[in-house]
Amino acid sequence: SQQGEEDPQALSIQEGENATMNCSYKTSINNLQWYRQNSGRGLVHLILIRSNEREKHSGRLRVTLDTSKKSSSLLITASRAADTASYFCATDPYNFNKFYFGSGTKLNVKP
Amino acid sequence: DSGVTQTPKHLITATGQRVTLRCSPRSGDLSVYWYQQSLDQGLQFLIQYYNGEERAKGNILERFSAQQFPDLHSELNLSSLELGDSALYFCASSGGGVPNQPQHFGDGTRLSIL
Repeated sequence: SQQGEEDPQALSIQEGENATMNCSYKTSINNLQWYRQNSGRGLVHLILIRSNEREKHSGRLRVTLDTSKKSSSLLITASRAADTASYFCATDPYNFNKFYFGSGTKLNVKP
Repeated sequence: DSGVTQTPKHLITATGQRVTLRCSPRSGDLSVYWYQQSLDQGLQFLIQYYNGEERAKGNILERFSAQQFPDLHSELNLSSLELGDSALYFCASSGGGVPNQPQHFGDGTRLSIL
């Protein structure tokens, strides 16, 4: 399978703590994207990182990409209860906007 | 609000039946994608259309078909339904046929097969 795999599958932290999720993938990619899904809702795009980028920031989000290890990480700093959701990485190995999603990390931020 | 509208939100039907799911993409988006999300298979890409033409195909069963109309809305047709087809079906849209674009998802249609 070309799908990414997120790790851990589930993460429970206290509000104010940082949350780190990892994604590993199998094929060469041109970009990797992270999405959030609140329970019962559609996915929301968070950030896109290109294969020639190593790190990218967006507000409280920090994404890193290591193409040599075929892995990416998503860091959410100073987490809030509203960050409770599932987080998915998605790759587009053929540059066709045909995305392969990982199995997701379920984040629970306790108030 | 992503701007992508999916109808209906919920659908309950029986095995062997046929249903149609509808998606209106975000204004100005030419590409539409369909995904199936189930507990055991995760989020699976089904098919992509760009400006009315099929662009990419994923794990779409032969019992399933889709099309994109001139007004850019899309429909996903599921026939000879089986219990295993119960899932959330998402539609997403993006601006065009170029790569490296984020996708905007609707809230899905929850299909339950009894």
